Amino acid sequence: AQSVTQPDIHITVSEGASLELRCNYSYGATPYLFWYVQSPGQGLQLLLKYFSGDTLVQGIKGFEAEFKRSQSSFNLRKPSVHWSDAAEYFCAVGPQSNTGNQFYFGTGTSLTVIP
Amino acid sequence: EAGVAQSPRYKIIEKRQSVAFWCNPISGHATLYWYQQILGQGPKLLIQFQNNGVVDDSQLPKDRFSAERLKGVDSTLKIQPAKLEDSAVYLCASSLVPWNTEAFFGQGTRLTVV
Repeated sequence: AQSVTQPDIHITVSEGASLELRCNYSYGATPYLFWYVQSPGQGLQLLLKYFSGDTLVQGIKGFEAEFKRSQSSFNLRKPSVHWSDAAEYFCAVGPQSNTGNQFYFGTGTSLTVIP
Repeated sequence: EAGVAQSPRYKIIEKRQSVAFWCNPISGHATLYWYQQILGQGPKLLIQFQNNGVVDDSQLPKDRFSAERLKGVDSTLKIQPAKLEDSAVYLCASSLVPWNTEAFFGQGTRLTVV
């Protein structure tokens, strides 16, 4: 069965510190992988996505993520966190073909940034 | 490019009442999704349309929830009658195709059932 696990429910970091949010997935084949961010009262905004090729992908707002097939992971990183990065972060997997149509979301990681 | 539009933004109803949500996807997007996001959880897919046909509604509580996408553009999601556990944010999203592309999300409708 397909699933996405985000082990950290809540993370607190100091502004300027580095950040890594974990994501593990279970999928029948190599899926398409996404990270979305949700600010309070807002919809989900795509940060970055991995379809194929280079396993290190760059996204918006200075975020990057690395796909590691051997670990079934797609962790999100940022070298220096800004106070505006405080939000809920969701990892998601999507199908590679029209045989499976769902996006599966993790339960999210809430990020607090302290000055 | 205009984003996914949803209305209303907020709705408070009493249990056993009915409610409807509206979604206008990005122009040209064939695939439309409705997600339910309960507080503290990730979004859960309720129903997925490809044009005006239903692709997946396996997690839609069909005894009380219904959705339609007439003419393959706008969509409405209805709950009748509502229960307390339906309190959630209902997100609409659209994508060009259902695979190998991203989904664009609206701001959602926050439903409170009292």
